[in-house]
Amino acid sequence: QTVVTQEPSFSVSPGETVTLTCGLNSGSVSYSFYANWFQQTPGQTPRTLIYNTDTRSSGVPDRFSGSILGNKAALTITGAQADDDSDYYCVLHLGGGIWLFGGGTKLTVL
Amino acid sequence: EVQLLQSGGGLVQPGGSLRLSCAASGFSITSYTMNWVRQAPGKGPEWVSSIFGYASSTHYADSVKGRFTISRDISKNTVSLQMNRLRAGDTAVYYCVKRGSSDGSYFSDYWGQGNLVTVSS
Repeated sequence: QTVVTQEPSFSVSPGETVTLTCGLNSGSVSYSFYANWFQQTPGQTPRTLIYNTDTRSSGVPDRFSGSILGNKAALTITGAQADDDSDYYCVLHLGGGIWLFGGGTKLTVL
Repeated sequence: EVQLLQSGGGLVQPGGSLRLSCAASGFSITSYTMNWVRQAPGKGPEWVSSIFGYASSTHYADSVKGRFTISRDISKNTVSLQMNRLRAGDTAVYYCVKRGSSDGSYFSDYWGQGNLVTVSS
């Protein structure tokens, strides 16, 4: 069974850079998986930050960037701000119209 | 302006059925893939099903395959999710989600307001 893996939690100080990753329990993530990244705060619907691995969604600050690092998709926040304290989810296209979300990373900025 | 107005949802007993609808405005559902995504209380999102805009082909997560059916009414610009043989594990807020690009690489640019489905006796 395919599982999309994310770090359960991460802590960063304001102004620091943090990289969250999105991998597979077996195999590597490449551009063909169309990785999308979402930010979600309590009571809100997920907001798309990055789509197609490295394209920022409209209105998303440029401190958020997406890439492939090694065998995983990655979301980097350069200069974390207090507002970035949220849950972050990735979703991968596994092919054949099938998508799978990761379990999410709870990012704490303090 | 793009809007996704959902209806349906509620409380249903295990083994029962429920139908969710999503009325789209501001765009044609024949031009974009439409998704259903659910989120159980305190959990992350889970992709449930998609219907392609151009070809009307459908896809399902293994967890709902054979029990849920996605469909659309082009004349009403509406997408629906028929949910049968519901289980306690299907309890979640269900969202209608519009794909952001025709090539499929942009999973979502608009989400509906969500409908709570509770499966309990």
